Amino acid sequence: GNSVTQMEGPVTLSEEAFLTINCTYTATGYPSLFWYVQYPGEGLQLLLKATKADDKGSNKGFEATYRKETTSFHLEKGSVQVSDSAVYFCALINFNKFYFGSGTKLNVKP
Amino acid sequence: DAGVTQSPTHLIKTRGQQVTLRCSPKSGHDTVSWYQQALGQGPQFIFQYYEEEERQRGNFPDRFSGHQFPNYSSELNVNALLLGDSALYLCASSMDRGRETQYFGPGTRLLVL
Repeated sequence: GNSVTQMEGPVTLSEEAFLTINCTYTATGYPSLFWYVQYPGEGLQLLLKATKADDKGSNKGFEATYRKETTSFHLEKGSVQVSDSAVYFCALINFNKFYFGSGTKLNVKP
Repeated sequence: DAGVTQSPTHLIKTRGQQVTLRCSPKSGHDTVSWYQQALGQGPQFIFQYYEEEERQRGNFPDRFSGHQFPNYSSELNVNALLLGDSALYLCASSMDRGRETQYFGPGTRLLVL
């Protein structure tokens, strides 16, 4: 079947620290992979995506590379800001169905 | 250009009642998907509507049903509400049956007492 597993939170970092949020997936075929972000009290927003193996998605300083050999799509940012505090969801779409991970809460302290 | 809109924003119902939630997709989008997000969890796919028909369905009982109108807007109906149906219900719109990026609305928070 299809599923997404991401690291449990919360993750607490100081401002300007390096961020990694791990995400691995199980899927048949060739899914597209996504990271969505949910700020407090808001809906989900697309952060970045990758549609095939070795693609790198990037946006707002965040990056993730589609690794088919390790079935992973880890989210990274070189220097986090307080404004990055939110819940991050890894997701995949396969055969027109979306599957989300359980989310990782990020707290960034000044 | 308005994004995805949902109504109402909040709703309180009692067990056994029925509820209807509404969604207007982003301009130019023809596909609407519905998700249930329990507190502290990721969204769970309920179903997807395209060309006024249900095209894909997740693992939800028949108490959950929907409709898509010719203007692409959509409704989610839940019958015989259970306490466990309390959640944030998200609508997402996209083009090309969801193969393109989905854009999410702010959600409707449903509380079942």
